[in-house]
Amino acid sequence: EVQLLESGGGLVQPGGSLRLSCAASGFTFNSYGMYWVRQAPGKGLEWVSGISAGGSSTHFADSVKGRFTTSRDTSKNTLYLQMNSLRADDTAAYYCAKEGSGWWIDSWGQGTLVTVSP
Amino acid sequence: IQLTQSPSSLSASVGDRVTITCRASQGISSYLAWYQQKPGKAPKVLIYAASTLQSGVPSRFSGSGSGTDFTLTISSLQPEDFATYYCQQLNTYPLTFGPGTKVDIK
Repeated sequence: EVQLLESGGGLVQPGGSLRLSCAASGFTFNSYGMYWVRQAPGKGLEWVSGISAGGSSTHFADSVKGRFTTSRDTSKNTLYLQMNSLRADDTAAYYCAKEGSGWWIDSWGQGTLVTVSP
Repeated sequence: IQLTQSPSSLSASVGDRVTITCRASQGISSYLAWYQQKPGKAPKVLIYAASTLQSGVPSRFSGSGSGTDFTLTISSLQPEDFATYYCQQLNTYPLTFGPGTKVDIK
């Protein structure tokens, strides 16, 4: 069974940094691309970033480009999202997600809440 | 690529046939997925490649379309189907979502 467990969320001041982690299990981690998707309170889904199975290719939403980076550690089966220069509009639940046989998402974590506030 | 969904919300009764539309700002072939999200829960995929039903998803869900216009249909709405539905394009990074369609009880 695929399991994705996010951690690292919390309260951070505007301009601050936070690193989210996603521990993956139940599948061959280095065979699948991975994503981060966020959802602001009461709002819709926003795709944030993606990283290829081997980690050599990353992509970002325009809203986070230049501020967020993503990486993966195959030895730890863990996905990361480094978030810098955080703003109030980055406040959201952040979901780690696994790609299916195409680029669609077939598994999601439970989400971790990031709150950016003074 | 921008996605629009219509309607943004709808009220329906159990047993109703429900249709949700997703339109892309440019052609995306069949690179579209549909997700269902219930309050407080992570989304789950219903349909991928525009019309392929994910394993385990009831057959009352179906998807169609290609290019710029897509449809998610629930043939006979069940109590557990009241949720918000999102489309996502998988043709070009960034992999954008539609704004969602909330289906609630009439």
